[in-house]
Amino acid sequence: QSVLTQPPSASGTPGQRVIISCSGSSSNIGRRTVHWFQQVPGTAPKFLLTTNYQRPSGVPDRFSGSRSGTSASLAISGLQSEDEADYYCATWDDSLNGHVFGTGTKVTVL
Amino acid sequence: EVQLVESGGGLVQPGGSLRLSCAASGFTFSSSDMSWVRQAPGKGLEWVSSISDSGISRFYADSVRGRFTISRDNSKNRLYLQLNSLRAEDAAVYYCARHWDVWGKGTTVTVSS
Repeated sequence: QSVLTQPPSASGTPGQRVIISCSGSSSNIGRRTVHWFQQVPGTAPKFLLTTNYQRPSGVPDRFSGSRSGTSASLAISGLQSEDEADYYCATWDDSLNGHVFGTGTKVTVL
Repeated sequence: EVQLVESGGGLVQPGGSLRLSCAASGFTFSSSDMSWVRQAPGKGLEWVSSISDSGISRFYADSVRGRFTISRDNSKNRLYLQLNSLRAEDAAVYYCARHWDVWGKGTTVTVSS
């Protein structure tokens, strides 16, 4: 059972904005940077961004991240069909002395 | 081209051992912290273990501590994961990753009698 909680699913129509939350605690998100990954089923995860840092080249600017307190969010603006995938947050946990991944959110483009 | 290629997966009996390898290319491996992450069938991502660029610092998930060992050979640009005392719940695709922007395609570990 992960210490980072995400909603199991999210959906939107093409062009809409979808926000995925990642809820943690003071030992992880509250003091550490948060990373976001996209995974199309059957393929390896792909790094999207680190909150408050520049997106890597090749990642569309419609993906953005934010953090507030012990929660983080990934926003997908202008949703496109190719954005249909599973999304995971991750960070370091000082209490566990290890990395932790979120439970994952499946994004469906209606 | 920046690349990570895992190998060494396969079918092993419960209680058995396996050694996974990850070959790195296209970047300065010796300057990169590295990790292993696994994904059981139909499940989410689970962090397994990490190692610092020098190999001095190593970290493990509670679920594998004492059974798995992470190591690296910077002269060969290789990352390793020794899996001992394997259990059914260790069956998964194992990915190696450079923190956190480069991932391999994964190698599959099946634990079954």
